[in-house]
Amino acid sequence: QKEVEQNSGPLSVPEGAIASLNCTYSDRGSQSFFWYRQYSGKSPELIMSIYSNGDKEDGRFTAQLNKASQYVSLLIRDSQPSDSATYLCAVMGSTLTFGKGTMLLVSP
Amino acid sequence: EAQVTQNPRYLITVTGKKLTVTCSQNMNHEYMSWYRQDPGLGLRQIYYSMNVEVTDKGDVPEGYKVSRKEKRNFPLILESPSPNQTSLYFCASSKTLLSAYEQYFGPGTRLTVT
Repeated sequence: QKEVEQNSGPLSVPEGAIASLNCTYSDRGSQSFFWYRQYSGKSPELIMSIYSNGDKEDGRFTAQLNKASQYVSLLIRDSQPSDSATYLCAVMGSTLTFGKGTMLLVSP
Repeated sequence: EAQVTQNPRYLITVTGKKLTVTCSQNMNHEYMSWYRQDPGLGLRQIYYSMNVEVTDKGDVPEGYKVSRKEKRNFPLILESPSPNQTSLYFCASSKTLLSAYEQYFGPGTRLTVT
């Protein structure tokens, strides 16, 4: 069974710090990787996608992918209290599989 | 406005009373799916549809049915709901399965079965 693993958290960081969220996956054939942000009681919102090894930056967000290690991460620079949410890692193999999410808490 | 709509948003029902949660998208997307989200278990796929009249089971299909008679609609049917189906349900759509980066989620339906 394809698995996507994330630390459930909460991950607590002070405002302005870098938050680092990690995800590992089991399906070596996976080709596409995504990070969703979900506020409590709301629907997931796509914030980053990455398809090849290396880093991809978009504003304060950087996604990192290492297919050999089956590892994908999300860095959030200059974390803001509004970044407090659950971050879901999703991996596309034959279907899209979600991790259980990591809760991020950014304190003012 | 491009969107996925779900109805109802909140539903409290009793065990065994058949119900349908509707899902509709206005983006001409081929791929639609249903998820349930439970504390500690994350998002789990119930059913998905690659196109009209093409549906398949996800990870947790037991107790659910779906149909895809029109491209825009993908209703979720609970023929005989049970308390273990109390959950937050999300419908999602994307242009194709391969374009999951464009996956749009509906606002969610919170279902309580007593």
